[in-house]
Amino acid sequence: DAGVTQSPTHLIKTRGQQVTLRCSPKSGHDTVSWYQQALGQGPQFIFQYYEEEERQRGNFPDRFSGHQFPNYSSELNVNALLLGDSALYLCASSFRTGVRNTEAFFGQGTRLTVV
Amino acid sequence: TQLLEQSPQFLSIQEGENLTVYCNSSSVFSSLQWYRQEPGEGPVLLVTVVTGGEVKKLKRLTFQFGDARKDSSLHITAAQTGDTGLYLCAGESTDSWGKLQFGAGTQVVVTP
Repeated sequence: DAGVTQSPTHLIKTRGQQVTLRCSPKSGHDTVSWYQQALGQGPQFIFQYYEEEERQRGNFPDRFSGHQFPNYSSELNVNALLLGDSALYLCASSFRTGVRNTEAFFGQGTRLTVV
Repeated sequence: TQLLEQSPQFLSIQEGENLTVYCNSSSVFSSLQWYRQEPGEGPVLLVTVVTGGEVKKLKRLTFQFGDARKDSSLHITAAQTGDTGLYLCAGESTDSWGKLQFGAGTQVVVTP
């Protein structure tokens, strides 16, 4: 059973560019959440997608946007990259039961470096 | 800004010693999770605690959730080099299911 997979694993972009990161959830999961983890910090919640809609959002600017596809996979897009966007971007998947979610499983992350 | 405060930030011990890491908040959580993360990898879930006062044991690891569901601790008995990693606690609130609020983590290094 494949777990959460993310691509690419590493990425280098120039300031001002745009980037798209991808995530395939664990089999059977329908909810995808994205987190940003700066060096030496814990992950910070960016947003969550369920039924192809953004359901919750953390304290991130509109430069951060996302999408969820019918097969539950998801993309994270970041526009107008800043040096401060350099971080490990983590995708987590879970299954929604009623109004709750099951435990989250994380992918290995995408290391984004902005130069 | 981390809503959950973890202490200590860094811990270095020798194999065979015991250690405890703490996770504190002023907020009440419906559940609290502990993860271990290794360099360049995503966090791996160790345990979830949901009931105030709950104690869970996972081999040499003991997890406790505070009575008021605001704090938690992780105790490792007879640490091994394989326990080295970043230990993260994450809380979940009833008004935001699926949204995890993480602490900054405790880096644990176990030397032979």
